[in-house]
Amino acid sequence: DQQVKQNSPSLSVQEGRISILNCDYTNSMFDYFLWYKKYPAEGPTFLISISSIKDKNEDGRFTVFLNKSAKHLSLHIVPSQPGDSAVYFCAASAAGGGNKLTFGTGTQLKVEL
Amino acid sequence: DVKVTQSSRYLVKRTGEKVFLECVQDMDHENMFWYRQDPGLGLRLIYFSYDVKMKEKGDIPEGYSVSREKKERFSLILESASTNQTSMYLCASSRQDIYEQYFGPGTRLTVT
Repeated sequence: DQQVKQNSPSLSVQEGRISILNCDYTNSMFDYFLWYKKYPAEGPTFLISISSIKDKNEDGRFTVFLNKSAKHLSLHIVPSQPGDSAVYFCAASAAGGGNKLTFGTGTQLKVEL
Repeated sequence: DVKVTQSSRYLVKRTGEKVFLECVQDMDHENMFWYRQDPGLGLRLIYFSYDVKMKEKGDIPEGYSVSREKKERFSLILESASTNQTSMYLCASSRQDIYEQYFGPGTRLTVT
């Protein structure tokens, strides 16, 4: 039972354009969401997060949007750069869950010149 | 800078062998986690620990055990390795009061 879903396994975007990565969840107890970026042969690194009390969080080129009614979040990267090419995972946590994270299956982003 | 290190980057073991994967963090984090990453399946939680000598099962604990004798060290044990345990194993740690986890570089384990 996949509680966090990333339905697009891959995404290709031109340099300078916007990248939009999507994530859906089914567990209504999730109240904190995170995005991680992973390069090959490295561990995931934390990118940005959002609490369920907000609907938007911005950090430089990265913005995460949360739509609680649709159980959907998205990561926007503007402008996209070749160094952004990586696998992106969304993750979610539920209050009282012991800080456990449930991860999605990942989206491979390729930013082309 | 938080540093999470894992004992090996690559490991090849035979079916039936006992395998130890070690993870050490240097930031005095209370929580530590073991995941495996497989294509199309994302990261799946095997076990986690929120204190020394404490452990909790994750989503896929079967075939694995863990040990946490010291706060900074969390070991994953495959009692009798099988080919379906061929995977990338990732260790992570976090403070008790925040959700962000810091990951090690991973161990690519191949069981033949």
